[in-house]
Amino acid sequence: KAGVTQTPRYLIKTRGQQVTLSCSPISGHRSVSWYQQTPGQGLQFLFEYFSETQRNKGNFPGRFSGRQFSNSRSEMNVSTLELGDSALYLCASSTSGANTGELFFGEGSRLTVL
Amino acid sequence: AQSVSQHNHHVILSEAASLELGCNYSYGGTVNLFWYVQYPGQHLQLLLKYFSGDPLVKGIKGFEAEFIKSKFSFNLRKPSVQWSDTAEYFCAVTTMNTGFQKLVFGTGTRLLVSP
Repeated sequence: KAGVTQTPRYLIKTRGQQVTLSCSPISGHRSVSWYQQTPGQGLQFLFEYFSETQRNKGNFPGRFSGRQFSNSRSEMNVSTLELGDSALYLCASSTSGANTGELFFGEGSRLTVL
Repeated sequence: AQSVSQHNHHVILSEAASLELGCNYSYGGTVNLFWYVQYPGQHLQLLLKYFSGDPLVKGIKGFEAEFIKSKFSFNLRKPSVQWSDTAEYFCAVTTMNTGFQKLVFGTGTRLLVSP
C-alpha cells in the first residue's frame, strides 16, 4: 500500500512569490491535514480537510490556503512568500471521518524562501 | 489554549540504558494522546496512542507510555534502548475542544543513543 506522497520534495522560492504543494493521501483515506515544521516553532497545524471541506484551521495568516479534490488529493498554497515561511510542510492522511488523531505522514515538502 | 510540554529537548544515552521522556499537556477534558517518532531521514510515524482504557499502553519496538490523568502526563518509556532508537520523539494530543482532527505537538525530544 503506497504511503502519503508529497510533491515537490524540495523547492526554492523568493520573497513575494507564491507556491503550491501537493499531497496524495493513502488510498481510501479521506482526511488530509497539513502541518508546518520549523526548528523554532516545531510542528504546527495548518488545516484539515475531509470530503473536500475544511473542518479545522490553525492560526496562520490568510496567505496560507488549501483545498481538497474529490479524489481526496489536497493542495496547499502560500502566497506572497516571506522568509519566515521557510519550513518543512508535512501532509498527513487519516481513514476515519471522526479522525481521532492517528495520522500517516508524508516525507514533506521542504520550502526555502530567499 | 491547549499545549504540550516536553521538558527534555536533547537526551543522550548509551545502548541498554533505560529511557523515560516526559510529556505534559494542558487540558482538563477528554484527550487522545500520542507519541510520534521521526527517525533520521524518515517521515513521522506513530509509536503508540492512548484513547481510553488501560492507562499503560504498549507500542512498537518495545516502547510503552503511561497516562496519569492526575498529573496530565503521558511519559514514554523503554527499558533498554538500542542505537536504532536514535530519533526525534514528539508527544501530541487531540482534544474535543480543538477538534479531534487537530494534533497539538510538543517541541520534540532528540534522542541520541551511542553504541
